[in-house]
Amino acid sequence: QLQLQGSGPGLVRPSETLSLTCTVSGGSISSSSYYWGLIRQPPGKGLEWVGSLYYSGSTYYNPSLKSRVTIFVDTSKDQFFLKLSSVTAADTAVYYCARSDKTGGGAIGAFDIWGLGTVVTVSS
Amino acid sequence: QSALTQPASVSGSPGQSITISCTGTSSDVGGYNYVSWYQQHPGKAPKLMIYDVNKRPSGVSNRFSGSKSGNTASLTICGLQAEDEAEYYCCSYAGSSTVLFGGGTSLTVL
Repeated sequence: QLQLQGSGPGLVRPSETLSLTCTVSGGSISSSSYYWGLIRQPPGKGLEWVGSLYYSGSTYYNPSLKSRVTIFVDTSKDQFFLKLSSVTAADTAVYYCARSDKTGGGAIGAFDIWGLGTVVTVSS
Repeated sequence: QSALTQPASVSGSPGQSITISCTGTSSDVGGYNYVSWYQQHPGKAPKLMIYDVNKRPSGVSNRFSGSKSGNTASLTICGLQAEDEAEYYCCSYAGSSTVLFGGGTSLTVL
């Protein structure tokens, strides 16, 4: 059964870069049928899509975060990574790794498998 | 891009039916049949309940159903149970390889 596990520093200083690793287990990240994504949820607030990638390395970002976000993959380790630069307190959130369906037309479909979430706090 | 619009809260008594709406635009909800719904209990990760507007993943109760009309998608839960009390989020493909979530709806089972 495929699982996703996020990991990374729980505390990041303002203006620095947030780094998060998502590890896929029980399956391969190199599947032509799926995208791999990151969704975040600030405390007490709703879900926000951060971005997604395809195992080939193609990436897709939330336009509101695009200037600060990089998502990349290491298929040999079944891992994908998030880097979010110049963080502020507004980036404090639970960050979820998730798998989504790749539709017939190439659209990003539903997120069917989610990790437990990684709490990241931005504070000095 | 703006978040999809959901009511902040809905409520119903056990056994009743409720519907949660999710309003977008012709560029997202109205333009694609890639609307999904998620249930989130406090402190837990979201769980997929409906995908592609009206399809249920294996293991999800048939009390949950989805539909869409124009730029508005809806999630209906019939035969409300105490365990259905949770936050519900809609999500839609928004073109140009982007995704939008709704602001979330808190469901209270009275």
